[in-house]
Amino acid sequence: AQSVTQLGSHVSVSEGALVLLRCNYSSSVPPYLFWYVQYPNQGLQLLLKYTSAATLVKGINGFEAEFKKSETSFHLTKPSAHMSDAAEYFCAVSGPNTGNQFYFGTGTSLTVIP
Amino acid sequence: KAGVTQTPRYLIKTRGQQVTLSCSPISGHRSVSWYQQTPGQGLQFLFEYFSETQRNKGNFPGRFSGRQFSNSRSEMNVSTLELGDSALYLCASSLGTAQGFSYGYTFGSGTRLTVV
Repeated sequence: AQSVTQLGSHVSVSEGALVLLRCNYSSSVPPYLFWYVQYPNQGLQLLLKYTSAATLVKGINGFEAEFKKSETSFHLTKPSAHMSDAAEYFCAVSGPNTGNQFYFGTGTSLTVIP
Repeated sequence: KAGVTQTPRYLIKTRGQQVTLSCSPISGHRSVSWYQQTPGQGLQFLFEYFSETQRNKGNFPGRFSGRQFSNSRSEMNVSTLELGDSALYLCASSLGTAQGFSYGYTFGSGTRLTVV
C-alpha cells in the first residue's frame, strides 16, 4: 500500500530563511514522488517530481527535494524563502500498484514572515 | 497550450439536489481524474476515466458518478446532495500511465461546491 506522511501541518519561516517541508512515504516498491503547491482557491501546481532518475530533484521557483530511500523521505527545501512562497504544499506518491491514482499527504501550510 | 478547464468555478446547491461538474483536459490528455478536497479529509480520489472508460474508483458512495466523452471531456455528477459534500472538486488531466506509473497530473482550478 502507498501512503504519505507530512510532518507539520503548519510551518513558519522568516523571509530569506531556509524552507524545509518534510515528507515520508510508505511503499513496498520504489515509488514516484511529487510535490505540489496550492494557492488559495486554486488547483494544485506541480513543483517537482522524482521518477527514479537523479535522487536530487530540482523544481520550479527555486525548490528542490532529495529522495532518500534509506529514510523513505522526500523532503522539500528552498534556500531562501520569499513572501510569494506562502501557500499549501502537498507531497504525493504513485506507484506501479496505484496506476494513475495519487495518494496525497495532508498538506503543510507555509507562512513566510516579513 | 490551454490548461485544464473546470466549470463552473463556484456552485451553491440545496440538500437533496443534484449537481454536474465539467472538466476539459489538456489537449491530447486521455486520462481525467477527479479529487475531492475538504479541510477535514484532505485530497481524496474519486475516480479516473481513460478513453471513456472508468479505470479506477475511490471509496465514495454511488451518489458520485462520472463519465468521459470521446473528446476526453469529463463530467462528474453528485446526486442527492448532502451537507458533507461541500468541498473543492478538482479535476486532473494526464497522459495516463506507463508501466503502471503515472505521467503526472495537471490540475484545474477546481469547482467550489457549497451545499446548504
